[in-house]
Amino acid sequence: GENVEQHPSTLSVQEGDSAVIKCTYSDSASNYFPWYKQELGKRPQLIIDIRSNVGEKKDQRIAVTLNKTAKHFSLHITETQPEDSAVYFCAAGVHVQGAQKLVFGQGTRLTINP
Amino acid sequence: NAGVTQTPKFRILKIGQSMTLQCTQDMNHNYMYWYRQDPGMGLKLIYYSVGAGITDKGEVPNGYNVSRSTTEDFPLRLELAAPSQTSVYFCASSGGQWVATNEKLFFGSGTQLSVL
Repeated sequence: GENVEQHPSTLSVQEGDSAVIKCTYSDSASNYFPWYKQELGKRPQLIIDIRSNVGEKKDQRIAVTLNKTAKHFSLHITETQPEDSAVYFCAAGVHVQGAQKLVFGQGTRLTINP
Repeated sequence: NAGVTQTPKFRILKIGQSMTLQCTQDMNHNYMYWYRQDPGMGLKLIYYSVGAGITDKGEVPNGYNVSRSTTEDFPLRLELAAPSQTSVYFCASSGGQWVATNEKLFFGSGTQLSVL
């Protein structure tokens, strides 16, 4: 089955700097790669996603890149702000009859220092 | 719209007890999911459903059962609770692959379960 590895487990950056979180996956059949943000005690929320037929996607300060050959994808946050502090999860998977069958990474705790 | 509603928010069980975690969504989503999140870890898929009457196993189904009698409801049953089932449980729903604005998973607020 699919296995997703996420690095680093913790990341601390100065406000205004960029943050990069990396994930690798094992199953070449995976074709959908979402990123979720989870604040302490809250539910996960989708921040950006990418499909396997796209190499890069950007939404304001957030971007995701995908390298299918190497089986890795990354989240880039630019101009970080204190409200970006949270745990970020990558996931990889496929759609089964329309449902998302996802495997999540272990998470990265991002801290933005003022 | 309330979105995805889970009950209860907290529960303590004794080993061997049974319980049902309730989940309901009012977005008319076809697809529903149950995840568990152990402390400091990512989410693991327990079961999912593609529509009323259709369920299938995820990554970690052992010790759990589900049913989907209506589009709105997707309860998760723990039959013989074990300490290894101590976790936070999230129910989620999605509109499906072909609904452009509803690709994302909508999560409930979670149920914190402790088995002692």
